Amino acid sequence: RKEVEQDPGPFNVPEGATVAFNCTYSNSASQSFFWYRQDCRKEPKLLMSVYSSGNEDGRFTAQLNRASQYISLLIRDSKLSDSATYLCVEAGGFKTIFGAGTRLFVKA
Amino acid sequence: NAGVTQTPKFQVLKTGQSMTLQCAQDMNHEYMSWYRQDPGMGLRLIHYSVGAGITDQGEVPNGYNVSRSTTEDFPLRLLSAAPSQTSVYFCASRGTGDSNQPQHFGDGTRLSIL
Repeated sequence: RKEVEQDPGPFNVPEGATVAFNCTYSNSASQSFFWYRQDCRKEPKLLMSVYSSGNEDGRFTAQLNRASQYISLLIRDSKLSDSATYLCVEAGGFKTIFGAGTRLFVKA
Repeated sequence: NAGVTQTPKFQVLKTGQSMTLQCAQDMNHEYMSWYRQDPGMGLRLIHYSVGAGITDQGEVPNGYNVSRSTTEDFPLRLLSAAPSQTSVYFCASRGTGDSNQPQHFGDGTRLSIL
């Protein structure tokens, strides 16, 4: 089993739609979680950290469920510019593990 | 505000050649790492370092060497390039040992081995 698993997609949604991604992780001792965004052939960039109580940043909401070992990302009112690959990340100790990513296409 | 700088951005090698991918950061980060990303796949950790003089292997270390003589620099060496090492290589850094801090990435080196 992979340490971090994501649905690869692609998710094809119209502008204005709400879309949710889930990610499961296997290391129950993991301490930190993040969502990164990666545009085609570019470096990953931090989208947001994920806190135990859940957190929101504008149209983006992240949730962590430690009991079930998954994290989620909700994007509301999707924009064309949200089209990208979203990487789920868990970190603990000195190693940071990236999921393979979920591709999102937002269409006009 | 340079952040993490990688050079070169593109490189083509012949099988058997050696080369060094450079990575430098100006944020005084103690933790640095190298990843490779193959088409349609996630980032795989090659090597990492928690400070000057300290390095350790990641998930896919074979065929690569690293050293960390300064806090700023973390070069990745390909000893004898193989076509299987064709990939995009990303260097990243974050603050001291604290995994609560996210990593910052360089813009990558695209490497082709013929």
